Amino acid sequence: GQSLEQPSEVTAVEGAIVQINCTYQTSGFYGLSWYQQHDGGAPTFLSYNALDGLEETGRFSSFLSRSDSYGYLLLQELQMKDSASYFCAVCSNDYKLSFGAGTTVTVRA
Amino acid sequence: DADVTQTPRNRITKTGKRIMLECSQTKGHDRMYWYRQDPGLGLRLIYYSFDVKDINKGEISDGYSVSRQAQAKFSLSLESAIPNQTALYFCATSDSRGGGTEAFFGQGTRLTVV
Repeated sequence: GQSLEQPSEVTAVEGAIVQINCTYQTSGFYGLSWYQQHDGGAPTFLSYNALDGLEETGRFSSFLSRSDSYGYLLLQELQMKDSASYFCAVCSNDYKLSFGAGTTVTVRA
Repeated sequence: DADVTQTPRNRITKTGKRIMLECSQTKGHDRMYWYRQDPGLGLRLIYYSFDVKDINKGEISDGYSVSRQAQAKFSLSLESAIPNQTALYFCATSDSRGGGTEAFFGQGTRLTVV
């Protein structure tokens, strides 16, 4: 099966940088995704890494190290609207998608 | 209109009742998933389907069943609801032609079993 570990909460001020780490254990790893969820709404896709390295999408970047079974999501220039829950998710080689417990990010003025 | 639609959005039911949650999609995706979300536990996979003839159990399938009536429709049933099935339920889809790595979620069904 799969297991994923990520911090439960992070608090930061507007304009700051936040890094959310995710470690995983899985058989048949295919890639690591990140999703954002506001207040129990529908999770929305942020990024996906299949290969080692950094993927940048605007203010958000995601990193993967397959050898370390580790990834992170980097949120830069934090804004109040970034207050949300962030989930890492492992895509296995049968395309099953398994999620971590989520990290609640609170942005303070 | 939403690409992934769940009905109902909210439901209160009594212990022991049978209930069905429905999911339909207009995205033309082949893969569909059912998750439940509980506070502090993230999204846990109940069942997933890669086409009409393919149904797979997820991490927490006990007490649930599913039906893939068509490529666009995937229903989740609770045969005899119990209070610890009170949760927020999400349906999701992905497209194998795009690698299947991005999932699209419905707005969720909040189920309360009393």
